[in-house]
Amino acid sequence: AQSVTQLGSHVSVSEGALVLLRCNYSSSVPPYLFWYVQYPNQGLQLLLKYTSAATLVKGINGFEAEFKKSETSFHLTKPSAHMSDAAEYFCAVSNQAGTALIFGKGTTLSVSS
Amino acid sequence: DTAVSQTPKYLVTQMGNDKSIKCEQNLGHDTMYWYKQDSKKFLKIMFSYNNKELIINETVPNRFSPKSPDKAHLNLHINSLELGDSAVYFCASSPRGGGYNEQFFGPGTRLTVL
Repeated sequence: AQSVTQLGSHVSVSEGALVLLRCNYSSSVPPYLFWYVQYPNQGLQLLLKYTSAATLVKGINGFEAEFKKSETSFHLTKPSAHMSDAAEYFCAVSNQAGTALIFGKGTTLSVSS
Repeated sequence: DTAVSQTPKYLVTQMGNDKSIKCEQNLGHDTMYWYKQDSKKFLKIMFSYNNKELIINETVPNRFSPKSPDKAHLNLHINSLELGDSAVYFCASSPRGGGYNEQFFGPGTRLTVL
């Protein structure tokens, strides 16, 4: 069965610092992987997705993620954090039937000035 | 124009009541979903539905039932509400199943059962 594990429930960075949010997946088939962001009291917004094309995926707001099959990872990075990046970030994998997303437990990103 | 909308945004009710949450998407998508986000922010699929097939997560109590009057709407009916039903419920839609399509989420409905 598909699953994702997000390492670190809370990550704190300073403004301008590198953001690294970790996600490892487990899948019996080539996975479709997603990163979503949730701002307080809002719905989820797609940052980027991996669907077996390029392994380095660029998303919105300067975020990118690299699919590494050997490490079963899909970590999210951003070179320079902004205060506006403070939010909850979810890694997700599509289930095998393609009928649902399976989410990780989320990582809260805090950005300090 | 809101792509996926939900009403109400907040819902406070007593145990034992029956309530509904409405969802509408104007994206022309074929598939709609309901997810539940608990107090620890964990998101879990409840249902996925297109005009041909309803897929129910086996852990969802049968007090919960999705109803789709047409392709653009998927409402969630909850009977005999319990304290544990308190959560944020998100509706989502995608062009079709297949796993590779982005799901577009609504703003959520915060349900509080007293």
